[in-house]
Parts: sequence; structure tokens; C-alpha cells
Amino acid sequence: DSGVTQTPKHLITATGQRVTLRCSPRSGDLSVYWYQQSLDQGLQFLIQYYNGEERAKGNILERFSAQQFPDLHSELNLSSLELGDSALYFCASSVALGGAGSLNTEAFFGQGTRLTVV
Amino acid sequence: GQQVMQIPQYQHVQEGEDFTTYCNSSTTLSNIQWYKQRPGGHPVFLIQLVKSGEVKKQKRLTFQFGEAKKNSSLHITATQTTDVGTYFCAGRGSGTYKYIFGTGTRLKVLA
Repeated sequence: DSGVTQTPKHLITATGQRVTLRCSPRSGDLSVYWYQQSLDQGLQFLIQYYNGEERAKGNILERFSAQQFPDLHSELNLSSLELGDSALYFCASSVALGGAGSLNTEAFFGQGTRLTVV
Repeated sequence: GQQVMQIPQYQHVQEGEDFTTYCNSSTTLSNIQWYKQRPGGHPVFLIQLVKSGEVKKQKRLTFQFGEAKKNSSLHITATQTTDVGTYFCAGRGSGTYKYIFGTGTRLKVLA
């Protein structure tokens, strides 16, 4: 158990709908990352937060948005869903940000949320 | 933008054979991390390399960071069936916070 909790584990929804994925980081971790993994594909970096602030952005679609709350949990909102959005969405957390140095930047991943858009 | 490629994409080996995956970045990296993802599982952190030319070992696994800090490798000696999974490198570019994951190498070990 990595200590990172993601809910729900599975989600099936229709095209055009909106869903929210939730992530609780490990206790003490300030940095939260979101990744998308399509079937048999690599991990695409979406976005990173540190202590409530957005710190890095990847190839995140405009239909997607995220935030990190004061209690450090994070939510990823996916709207106007398309079939191609079907994927495994991972949240990961780390202690540090990784900008000034490399210490404590190893990421601990949750079990993921499998999103199926039909 | 920064891109990280891994080769090979797939590798099948007989149990007991060695295995190597290579990671190449389009830009110089501040540091690189390696993760393993078992089938149906989530990525699990293995190790981090920071210094140019750094070599680290974990039992049968040897990790190396290139002198130019643009490439890295993971070598497994005498593979076992428990080594099955996809190995990802993740590199952080200079002056950035984000880690970009490589394309991954899927390893299958035949008993």
C-alpha cells in the first residue's frame, strides 16, 4: 500500500458527461501529480500541485481541470468526455517539489481510477 | 518540449537471461528516476540517479546515469519471473518541476 488513495476505482460514464476523480496523498506529502495512462501506453503527465498551488502543467486538455485543496487532497475534473478519454488515471504524491533539488521527490502512486467512456 | 524515449518497447527473455532497457532524453536532465509497474498495478519507485556517470545497484538491478545526463539504463542480471512488468524511467529537466515518463519497456520472462 503506497498510502495514496484514489476514488473511485472504476467509473463508467457516457460521452459528454463530466466526472471528478479524487486523490488523497500520503500523510505529509505536499506535492500531488496526475497522470493519464491509456491502454498499453506510457504515463502522460497532466498536472502538478504543491501545497495548493499549480506548479507544472503537461499535455492537459482544456476540458480537464484540477485543484489541490487546503487539506492537500486533489481532484481532477474531466468534462465533455469523449471515447478517447477512456484511460487509467493515476494520482501520485511526493514530499518535495523537485525544483530546488532532487531530495524527497520520489513519487508514490495510488491504485488509479479506471475511466471508461461509452 | 522535453521527450523521453525508451528502447526496446518489448523484451521477452528466458528466465536466467539478462535484460537491459535504455532511456534517452531530448534534453539534459537534472535527475532521473526509475519505476516498475506490474501488470494491472501501479508504478512503484525503484531508484533515483542525480550525478553524471552515477551507478547504483539494487541486488540484481544496476542503474546507470550517462555522463551527459541525457541517458540512463537499467540492467537486470539473471532475470526471474518476478521481474515481469513494465519499467519506466522518468526524467526531470533543468529548471522544471515536472517529471516526464519514458515510453516504458515491457519485460516478459519465460520460465
